[in-house]
Amino acid sequence: EVQLVESGGGLVQPGGSLRLSCAASGFTFSTYNMDWVRQAPGKGLEWVSYIDSSSNIIYYTDSVKGRFTISRDNAKNSLYLQMNSLRAEDTAVYFCARVVSRSATWLDVWGKGTTVIVSP
Amino acid sequence: QSVLTQPPSASGTPGQRVTISCSGSSSNIGSNYVYWYQQLPGTAPKLLIYSDNQRPSGVPDRFSGSKSGTSASLAISGLRSEDETDYYCAAWDGSLSGVVFGGGTKLTVL
Repeated sequence: EVQLVESGGGLVQPGGSLRLSCAASGFTFSTYNMDWVRQAPGKGLEWVSYIDSSSNIIYYTDSVKGRFTISRDNAKNSLYLQMNSLRAEDTAVYFCARVVSRSATWLDVWGKGTTVIVSP
Repeated sequence: QSVLTQPPSASGTPGQRVTISCSGSSSNIGSNYVYWYQQLPGTAPKLLIYSDNQRPSGVPDRFSGSKSGTSASLAISGLRSEDETDYYCAAWDGSLSGVVFGGGTKLTVL
């Protein structure tokens, strides 16, 4: 079964750091590009970051540039999101998603998400 | 304020046909494919339409997508109670070098 499982969320103070992980199974992870997408409480979806299969092409939404870092370990079938200098507005459920082809928008498999709460 | 504009709500009665619009610009919808996602409460989004008007396997043909210029639409025919949930459009934005989502439309089946 194709599956993505996020972990690493939690409660963190403003200015703090968290590292999210996304474990992939049931498909050849190393051949797929990946995204992180988040959803603040009661709000819509917001794309966060994209990484291609070989980590050569990376994109971020403007609000996280310089603070978040996306990475992957194909040997471990894992995707990561290092989040530094966290702000209250980063509070959200973070989903990892599998990208079809080279389109960062075509997301065919999603994890269930992990919750990040940034609060004093 | 989302880059792609969707109506916050839409409604219809069972069996009816409803459409949800998604308005963008030349840098996103006007030059890239549109994707539609359905999100049931408390769950992850599900791909509904890809490449403007294609349905993944398993998605009923009651759902269809279209695009014209810088606007796109999702149509749902034969409306059913289980269609009552949130719908999001998305596209790549070449000016932003990123994915942009619409603000989402909550569909109510009356």
